Amino acid sequence: DAGITQSPRHKVTETGTPVTLRCHQTENHRYMYWYRQDPGHGLRLIHYSYGVKDTDKGEVSDGYSVSRSKTEDFLLTLESATSSQTSVYFCAISEIRGSNYGYTFGSGTRLTVV
Amino acid sequence: DQQVKQNSPSLSVQEGRISILNCDYTNSMFDYFLWYKKYPAEGPTFLISISSIKDKNEDGRFTVFLNKSAKHLSLHIVPSQPGDSAVYFCAASARTGNQFYFGTGTSLTVIP
Repeated sequence: DAGITQSPRHKVTETGTPVTLRCHQTENHRYMYWYRQDPGHGLRLIHYSYGVKDTDKGEVSDGYSVSRSKTEDFLLTLESATSSQTSVYFCAISEIRGSNYGYTFGSGTRLTVV
Repeated sequence: DQQVKQNSPSLSVQEGRISILNCDYTNSMFDYFLWYKKYPAEGPTFLISISSIKDKNEDGRFTVFLNKSAKHLSLHIVPSQPGDSAVYFCAASARTGNQFYFGTGTSLTVIP
């Protein structure tokens, strides 16, 4: 088990406020990802990281920033939350298990922007 | 533009019968494919994978078929069980790339 913890699990915030979501992993994986899940859109990549202080944008990065100052922590920040950012956010790590490689996901953060 | 598509948002199947979930992709560089299963309020969990060097991979009740010429893959669940009721996502990646691209998901309901 990759030991991925997301916090908080649920958050309600007001439009225009900053919000930071945290992803913590315990197994020193290099690659970490933030996805959002929305009905009709599936899972879409927001940002990913390939090492400490090394990050890149995904397909829906507008309005989001990320930071990775330690291998184990990957933070997602909504600088000024909007209602369109109401979603379920998943963090993932990339790992190889046997002959397979793929993502292991955290349990998700449900964010509501009112 | 959606590179991985699951055109059936939902599927209902009787317990014991076969469930077939379909997925299409557009990027010919994709050479590795995954299926994930997701229960409500949980993160997606890995189910089965297939590499483009194969056209079939089996794991217990789950089989994934890959048709590279049609850019199509399918997941077969036989026999279907009520516990299989979940949302299923297919995902694709190029081994030279850094990310997986996901479909929109198919919600499977297995009726007892």
